[in-house]
Amino acid sequence: AQSVTQPDIHITVSEGASLELRCNYSYGATPYLFWYVQSPGQGLQLLLKYFSGDTLVQGIKGFEAEFKRSQSSFNLRKPSVHWSDAAEYFCAVATGVAAGNKLTFGGGTRVLVKP
Amino acid sequence: EAQVTQNPRYLITVTGKKLTVTCSQNMNHEYMSWYRQDPGLGLRQIYYSMNVEVTDKGDVPEGYKVSRKEKRNFPLILESPSPNQTSLYFCASTREWSGSFGTGELFFGEGSRLTVL
Repeated sequence: AQSVTQPDIHITVSEGASLELRCNYSYGATPYLFWYVQSPGQGLQLLLKYFSGDTLVQGIKGFEAEFKRSQSSFNLRKPSVHWSDAAEYFCAVATGVAAGNKLTFGGGTRVLVKP
Repeated sequence: EAQVTQNPRYLITVTGKKLTVTCSQNMNHEYMSWYRQDPGLGLRQIYYSMNVEVTDKGDVPEGYKVSRKEKRNFPLILESPSPNQTSLYFCASTREWSGSFGTGELFFGEGSRLTVL
């Protein structure tokens, strides 16, 4: 069965420092991968997605992610964090009809930004 | 403005009192789904609908019902709520689950926080 693991439950980073959030997935077919961000009291907003092609994908708000098939990973990065990046981040893999036509989410990583 | 609208946003109820959480999207999307979010577990799918009159169970359907009588609406029904259904609920939609537009890019509502006492 498909699964997504985000090893870090919480990360604290200083404003202006770089950020990397880890994501590992398990899925037998070609993965469609996503990163979503959830600000306090809000719904989930799509940051970026990987379907095929270039393994380094750019998203909104200055985020990027790199797909590494050999490591089954899809880590999210940002070179310089802003206070507004404090939020919870979710990695997800999309599955087809055999696995329920859904997004399978990781448990999330909460990012705290120190001034 | 393109959006997914859920109501109510917050609700406190008691065990056994039937309730409905409404979800409406104005993007003419075929696919809609419900997720619940619990700490440390991420989001888990409750039910989904590929199109009008087509619904199917997700990973955690017990205690929930849905219907899709028209394209824009996908209400979530709790016939007899229990405390273990206390959670944050999200409705989401997309143009079609898998096609030329890709797979799985969901648009989410702002969530409905439900507390069952």
